[in-house]
Amino acid sequence: NAGVTQTPKFRVLKTGQSMTLLCAQDMNHEYMYWYRQDPGMGLRLIHYSVGEGTTAKGEVPDGYNVSRLKKQNFLLGLESAAPSQTSVYFCASSYFWAGIEAFFGQGTRLTVV
Amino acid sequence: ILNVEQSPQSLHVQEGDSTNFTCSFPSSNFYALHWYRWETAKSPEALFVMTLNGDEKKKGRISATLNTKEGYSYLYIKGSQPEDSATYLCAFGPNTNAGKSTFGDGTTLTVKP
Repeated sequence: NAGVTQTPKFRVLKTGQSMTLLCAQDMNHEYMYWYRQDPGMGLRLIHYSVGEGTTAKGEVPDGYNVSRLKKQNFLLGLESAAPSQTSVYFCASSYFWAGIEAFFGQGTRLTVV
Repeated sequence: ILNVEQSPQSLHVQEGDSTNFTCSFPSSNFYALHWYRWETAKSPEALFVMTLNGDEKKKGRISATLNTKEGYSYLYIKGSQPEDSATYLCAFGPNTNAGKSTFGDGTTLTVKP
């Protein structure tokens, strides 16, 4: 049972480049989330999804887009990367409403130079 | 944006000490309060989920209490061990139409042998 898998684990981008982070879960969870973690700031919600085909904005959505075409996958896109998007990104999924007992992926460390 | 605050920000204790820290959250529209344990270079792992005022949960030497009327939860660690060193996050899940929780910034515990 893989749980929540994020790819890639590490990435370095140049300013203005684009990329997509993939989150895959095999637990049949309805709810999926993308967070970013910056030093001293805990986890901040970027976007989330309450089911296949749905997405919603979190606290810090600017500069990011997401898609949930399949229930098991939640993609996070950066169209034009900026140094301010240097962060560690975590994906999470949950069976329950409000992200109760969420399972987290191992994180993606992204550096934008 | 919901205000979820954790205190203290960091804590250093000696092995064998007991310790506790606080999570404060809005006292209205409560649905659930989660505690997560987050070790360095790993992903957050769920410790407890509490949904009822007065809930008390226990897992080994770690326990938590919940007061939804005044909007706080305490996490206690009895007889701290070096392996308890981690960041402890709380997350507030509101009873609204949004399927998401808001995280505090965490309390980082360091237990010295």
